[in-house]
Amino acid sequence: AQTVTQSQPEMSVQEAETVTLSCTYDTSENNYYLFWYKQPPSRQMILVIRQEAYKQQNATENRFSVNFQKAAKSFSLKISDSQLGDTAMYFCAFMEGLNGGATNKLIFGTGTLLAVQP
Amino acid sequence: DAGVIQSPRHEVTEMGQEVTLRCKPISGHDYLFWYRQTMMRGLELLIYFNNNVPIDDSGMPEDRFSAKMPNASFSTLKIQPSEPRDSAVYFCASSRWLGRSNEQFFGPGTRLTVL
Repeated sequence: AQTVTQSQPEMSVQEAETVTLSCTYDTSENNYYLFWYKQPPSRQMILVIRQEAYKQQNATENRFSVNFQKAAKSFSLKISDSQLGDTAMYFCAFMEGLNGGATNKLIFGTGTLLAVQP
Repeated sequence: DAGVIQSPRHEVTEMGQEVTLRCKPISGHDYLFWYRQTMMRGLELLIYFNNNVPIDDSGMPEDRFSAKMPNASFSTLKIQPSEPRDSAVYFCASSRWLGRSNEQFFGPGTRLTVL
C-alpha cells in the first residue's frame, strides 16, 4: 500500500524568507501524481501545486515550487518570499496512476503546520 | 461558480442519534469524494462516487456509515447510530474527469461533535 510521510509536524519561518517542507512516499508504481494542499485556519483545503511523476521538470506556481526526486521518492515544497497568509497546515498527497489516467484516490500525509512570523 | 457546498457547517449531537451530512458538488463534476479528518488519523478517504455510482467504499469505517448519491447534484453521508469517536471534520470534494490527474475541489467541511 502507498504511504505518505511528512516528518516535520511544525515549522516556522520569518516573513519574506524561504522555507522547505519535506515529504516522502512509498510506492511500487511508476505512474502516479503528487500534490501539496494547504489548509489555513478557515479549514478550507486548497490545492497549491501538482506534479506528474512522468515529468522530470519540477512544477512551479508563483512562489511555490517542488523538488521532485523520483528515485528517492521525495517531494518537497519550497515557499519563497513567505507571506503571513501562507500560515497554514500543508498536506502532501499521493494519487496512483491508472491506465494512463489516475485512480482519483488521494492518500494524504499527516501534515506540517507552518507558521510565518512577522 | 459556487464551490462545493456542505451542510451543516457544524453539528452537535448525542451518542446514538442519527446524523446526516449533505454535499452539493460543483456543477459538471462527475466525481464526488467523502473524507474524514481527525487528529489521530489525519485525512482519510471514506468513499467516492463516479457518475453517482459508488466506486470504492473501502474507507468506510463500519456499517454505521452509509453514503448515497441519488443524483449528480447531491450526496449524503449518514451515521446511524453515532458514537463519540465519530467526532471529526467531514469533507466533501468533487472533480471532473480530464483523463489525467484531476484536481479535487473541497467543500468547507462539516465539524461533527458527538457527545
